[in-house]
Amino acid sequence: GAGVSQSPSNKVTEKGKDVELRCDPISGHTALYWYRQSLGQGLEFLIYFQGNSAPDKSGLPSDRFSAERTGGSVSTLTIQRTQQEDSAVYLCASSLSQASSYNEQFFGPGTRLTVL
Amino acid sequence: EDQVTQSPEALRLQEGESSSLNCSYTVSGLRGLFWYRQDPGKGPEFLFTLYSAGEEKEKERLKATLTKKESFLHITAPKPEDSATYLCAVPHWGSARQLTFGSGTQLTVLP
Repeated sequence: GAGVSQSPSNKVTEKGKDVELRCDPISGHTALYWYRQSLGQGLEFLIYFQGNSAPDKSGLPSDRFSAERTGGSVSTLTIQRTQQEDSAVYLCASSLSQASSYNEQFFGPGTRLTVL
Repeated sequence: EDQVTQSPEALRLQEGESSSLNCSYTVSGLRGLFWYRQDPGKGPEFLFTLYSAGEEKEKERLKATLTKKESFLHITAPKPEDSATYLCAVPHWGSARQLTFGSGTQLTVLP
């Protein structure tokens, strides 16, 4: 079946502009995660959605970052007033979510964001 | 706070030269350990999940093992196509269950 898809694959923007990044999770996966991978750094957790529950936003670096998930499926990560330090690869992952276990997360190809 | 440390940072092997990558972790209670492979310009690709000390998983030339303090990814007779960055991660204890990743081992297998 289809994996996690993300769009766009690349985004170049000017400092101060807003950007939207999209993620389509694997069908049937109720959990969705956003991570950020900066050059020379590891993957950094941003936000988590589980079903219709309120998202866990504990990893968002500032209030310029927000995300939503519509209909329990597609998610959009929005970065307002982008800064150069926002340049990174933004990765989306999805997983089955069960209370009794920690399921593997499957990642999309990422969106490479460059802020000029 | 969960911590994951991988070593070495980079490893160059000749084709056929077996070796091991290390992932040591400090967590309040192990709830699984995941290995991923990441090729340049792509997202991490899931390889293995290990849940308890003593557990082993194999896939082609790769074998992952787990102890109470660390995990090893053994690569037997590697080929150039095994070149990638290998990441290990542990799930965070809490509602989000996000993964805490190590910084990875960049493996290069020379023909």
